[in-house]
Amino acid sequence: GAGVSQTPSNKVTEKGKYVELRCDPISGHTALYWYRQSLGQGPEFLIYFQGTGAADDSGLPNDRFFAVRPEGSVSTLKIQRTERGDSAVYLCASSFQGDITDTQYFGPGTRLTVL
Amino acid sequence: AQKITQTQPGMFVQEKEAVTLDCTYDTSDQSYGLFWYKQPSSGEMIFLIYQGSYDEQNATEGRYSLNFQKARKSANLVISASQLGDSAMYFCAMRGWRGYNKLIFGAGTRLAVHP
Repeated sequence: GAGVSQTPSNKVTEKGKYVELRCDPISGHTALYWYRQSLGQGPEFLIYFQGTGAADDSGLPNDRFFAVRPEGSVSTLKIQRTERGDSAVYLCASSFQGDITDTQYFGPGTRLTVL
Repeated sequence: AQKITQTQPGMFVQEKEAVTLDCTYDTSDQSYGLFWYKQPSSGEMIFLIYQGSYDEQNATEGRYSLNFQKARKSANLVISASQLGDSAMYFCAMRGWRGYNKLIFGAGTRLAVHP
């Protein structure tokens, strides 16, 4: 079946602008995750959804970052007043239930560049 | 705190030979999961193999096997019969009972397979 999809694949914006990144998880997966991967590093956790609710948003760096998943499927990561330090690849992943043995399957990522 | 350490920034291997990528972890959880992902230049994180902390046997998936040494807190990935397509970044990750929803990644190892 179809894997996790993310749009856009690339996003270039100017400092101070607002951006939205979209994630479409694997059908039937209730758990959805956002990670951020800076150049030369491993991904870092941002937020986890179980269904429609954000069960853990402890990885969001500040209040400029916000994510929603209103119908328990597609999720949008929103970044306000973007800064150059927000430049990174934003990865979305989904898993069947979200428990400890669940495998997270990743999308191709959105490369965000803030000029 | 949970931590993953990958001490090999880069590794080289001849095609058809086996290679071991090192991973050590730190956690105070009794129950946890260990994962390996492959990230080709295209950017997508591809799940390779999973090992649960209570699994008595080392996990294997085709040419991939995980050398799990619990007392040493190591979870090395062994790739047998390397292929040119194995050239990529490899990330070790863990998921603990506390904070089970998030994966903690290492910095990665870049593997280059030479013909």
